[in-house]
Amino acid sequence: KAGVTQTPRYLIKTRGQQVTLSCSPISGHRSVSWYQQTPGQGLQFLFEYFSETQRNKGNFPGRFSGRQFSNSRSEMNVSTLELGDSALYLCASSLVSGAHYEQYFGPGTRLTVT
Amino acid sequence: GENVEQHPSTLSVQEGDSAVIKCTYSDSASNYFPWYKQELGKRPQLIIDIRSNVGEKKDQRIAVTLNKTAKHFSLHITETQPEDSAVYFCAASKTTGNTGKLIFGQGTTLQVKP
Repeated sequence: KAGVTQTPRYLIKTRGQQVTLSCSPISGHRSVSWYQQTPGQGLQFLFEYFSETQRNKGNFPGRFSGRQFSNSRSEMNVSTLELGDSALYLCASSLVSGAHYEQYFGPGTRLTVT
Repeated sequence: GENVEQHPSTLSVQEGDSAVIKCTYSDSASNYFPWYKQELGKRPQLIIDIRSNVGEKKDQRIAVTLNKTAKHFSLHITETQPEDSAVYFCAASKTTGNTGKLIFGQGTTLQVKP
C-alpha cells in the first residue's frame, strides 16, 4: 500500500497570506490527524478528522482550520500567516478514530513564513 | 492537563551498548503509548507501541515497558547500531472522547558512536 502523502513538500509564504496544505491518507484509512513540529515546541496536535467531521482540536488559534473530504483526503488551512507559523506540518492517518489505532505519518510540508 | 515528559533530551552510547529513554505522563486515563523514530529530514516512524493492558512488549532489539501506577513508560534498545541514531519521541493518548489525539514528549536525540 502507498503511504501517507502530503503536498506541497515545501512552501514559502509572506506574513499575512494564507496557505492550504493537503494530506492523502493510506488507502482504507478514515482518520487524519494534523500536527505541527517546531524545534522549540516539539510535536503538537492540531486537529483530527474522521468521516468528514472534526473529532478533536488542539490549542491553536482559529486561524488554523481543516476539513476532510468523502475520500478521506484532508486539507488544513492557515490564514493571516505569522512568522511563528513557520514549521513542519505533519499529517498522520489511522484506520479509524480512536486511541488504540496506530497512526502513520506523512513526510510533512515545510512551511516558511517570511 | 495533558503532558508527557521525556528524558534524557540527548543520549550518546557506544555501538553495542544499550539505550534507555524514559517518559512520564500526567493523565491517568491514558491507555495507548506509541514510540516514534525520526531520522533527520524524514517522517516520524512508528517503531513500537504498548497498550495499558500489558506491562511489556518486545520486538527484536526494541522493548517498551509500562508502569501504570507510576505513570511512566520506557523504551529500551539493546545492541545499538549506528543506524539507530535518530530522534525518538514517546507519546500518549486515551480512548475518552474516542479520538486519536497523541500527546508527544519533547524527544530524545540518540547518537550511537561506531
